[in-house]
Amino acid sequence: EVQLVESGGGLIQPGGSLRLSCAASGFTVSSNYMSWVRQAPGKGLEWVSVIYRGGGTYYADSVKGRFTISRDNSKNTLYLQMNSLRAEDTAVYYCARGPYSGSGSALYYFDYWGQGTLVTVSS
Amino acid sequence: QTVVTQEPSFSVSPGGTITLTCGLSSGSVSTNYYPSWYQQTPGQAPRTLIYNTNTRSSGVPDRFSGSILGNKAALTITGAQADDESDYYCVLYMGSGIWLFGGGTKLTVL
Repeated sequence: EVQLVESGGGLIQPGGSLRLSCAASGFTVSSNYMSWVRQAPGKGLEWVSVIYRGGGTYYADSVKGRFTISRDNSKNTLYLQMNSLRAEDTAVYYCARGPYSGSGSALYYFDYWGQGTLVTVSS
Repeated sequence: QTVVTQEPSFSVSPGGTITLTCGLSSGSVSTNYYPSWYQQTPGQAPRTLIYNTNTRSSGVPDRFSGSILGNKAALTITGAQADDESDYYCVLYMGSGIWLFGGGTKLTVL
């Protein structure tokens, strides 16, 4: 059974740093593309970042230069290092899996989601 | 700055049919954007409904269907049920590793 469990959220002061983790089970993180998606309180979903099977990474403009996505294949875990945090980064952060087709093409959607971890940036 | 547009809210009667749309602030949505749709109830993680425009995710009832209507992606719910009352989000793959979510549609079944 595919499971994604996020952790690492909490209350952090503006300008601080936090690292989120997403522990995966039932599949291999490095065999899929993995994304972070966030949702500010009472707002919609916002795509944040992706790491592809080959290691390529991409970011939304709102977090570029401040956030870094990575994975640890030995731990089958996805990470999001968040630096220079701002009040507007306050959100529930979800990790999501993205599948490849049998021929190796990304299918460009998210098929499994974690339950999310809340990050609150406030003084 | 490209924005993905969705109706902020919609209501449907039980048993009715409704079509939610997903457009672009500039340009048309095509299958090349790999539109996908997600359902979310308060306090829960999103649930995948439709991907690659019109493919239902595993376990999704066939009363949910996806398509391209004109210059937008569309999610049609046929025979709406009370537990379809949720927020619905589309997301488009914009290329170059970037996805954009729409603002979501709050669907009320009454």
